[in-house]
Amino acid sequence: EDQVTQSPEALRLQEGESSSLNCSYTVSGLRGLFWYRQDPGKGPEFLFTLYSAGEEKEKERLKATLTKKESFLHITAPKPEDSATYLCAVQAGGGAQKLVFGQGTRLTINP
Amino acid sequence: NAGVMQNPRHLVRRRGQEARLRCSPMKGHSHVYWYRQLPEEGLKFMVYLQKENIIDESGMPKERFSAEFPKEGPSILRIQQVVRGDSAAYFCASSPSPQPADTQYFGPGTRLTVL
Repeated sequence: EDQVTQSPEALRLQEGESSSLNCSYTVSGLRGLFWYRQDPGKGPEFLFTLYSAGEEKEKERLKATLTKKESFLHITAPKPEDSATYLCAVQAGGGAQKLVFGQGTRLTINP
Repeated sequence: NAGVMQNPRHLVRRRGQEARLRCSPMKGHSHVYWYRQLPEEGLKFMVYLQKENIIDESGMPKERFSAEFPKEGPSILRIQQVVRGDSAAYFCASSPSPQPADTQYFGPGTRLTVL
């Protein structure tokens, strides 16, 4: 069964303090790994798609990387507006379109 | 370009009533997915539909839940005889095609409360 585990569950940082969020996965034939951001009371907002090990993508203060077993979301010099829950999801091979999500990491950036 | 739209945003039902949740995909998207987020749990896939077809309903509870995506109009997720355990946020997502790893864009969700 496809599984996604995110760690830590919650992370509290000071403004400007860089860190990384982890997403470990087991999937039969990875078609894509997705990162989303979710603010309270809102729907997930798409950030990145990674397709193969070694791939990296960046957007502002965020950088996502992918290995054969895990993905990292690096956040550099975060600001309070980066506070949100970050969700990782995988799409398996074999024709299934569904996304399998992790539990998320709740990130809080203190000013 | 309007995003995925869902209504109502909040829905309150008493036990035994029916709930109807609506989802209009992004313009140009013909593939719709429904996910459920229970309190303190992650998002769980329910069903994947194209116009007039259910493609994958492997995550849908066997009883009381149904979904459709008619030729005209929004996709509908219908929950009959709701119970307290159905209280959750229901999210709809859409994609332009079923190509591998096509991005799914999410709507704002419908928060269902069952009294």
